[in-house]
Amino acid sequence: QLQLQESGPGLVKPSETLSLTCTVSGGSISSSSYYWGWIRQPPGKGLGWIGSIYNSGSTYYNPSLKSRVTISVDTSKNQFSLKLSSVTAADTAVYYCARVGRIATRQGDYYYYMDVWGKGTTVTVSS
Amino acid sequence: DIQMTQSPSSLSASVGDRVTITCRASQTISSYLNWYQQKPGKAPKLLIYAASSLQSGVPSRFSGSGSGTDFTLTISSLQPEDLATYYCQQSYSTFTFGPGTKVDIK
Repeated sequence: QLQLQESGPGLVKPSETLSLTCTVSGGSISSSSYYWGWIRQPPGKGLGWIGSIYNSGSTYYNPSLKSRVTISVDTSKNQFSLKLSSVTAADTAVYYCARVGRIATRQGDYYYYMDVWGKGTTVTVSS
Repeated sequence: DIQMTQSPSSLSASVGDRVTITCRASQTISSYLNWYQQKPGKAPKLLIYAASSLQSGVPSRFSGSGSGTDFTLTISSLQPEDLATYYCQQSYSTFTFGPGTKVDIK
């Protein structure tokens, strides 16, 4: 079945760029039915959506992070990636990647939901 | 931006109890509402999408209802394995999660 696995450094220095990769196995990232997304969870806090990407490269970002976030896709490697620049201690969190599924509504739009998640990777921002 | 609130923030109930969690959106979101369960130390799991559709493999004791701004997640008979934090999420305009409701077993 489809599996997602996050990878990247567990420790990043303040002001530097956090870089993570999500590897998709058991399915193709190029499927037209899905988007792919990043979500994070600071210690002891709730979930926050970072952004999403389609296999064409179309991206959607959380407005509060948009100036610092870049999400990209590499279909040849079946991977998508997250870069978050100018990090501070507030960016310390567990970072999850997820598949964004969708189902058509009667009005021709789509309901979107995150139906497959990676196990998450902890990133600490500290000098 | 669409803001999501949940109530209560935490609850404690006995095995077999009926549990209800409420989620409210800051503006109408039709049925663009999902529910997730997150057990301690684990990734979230999709329970309900489009406000009331049960995700495949999720026990039928979980159900969702609502439309517009007010939504409900119901666990009809609480089980020990339901100890978790539950999050609502709107998908009407990108995504926003609610703050979560922690469910403990008495």
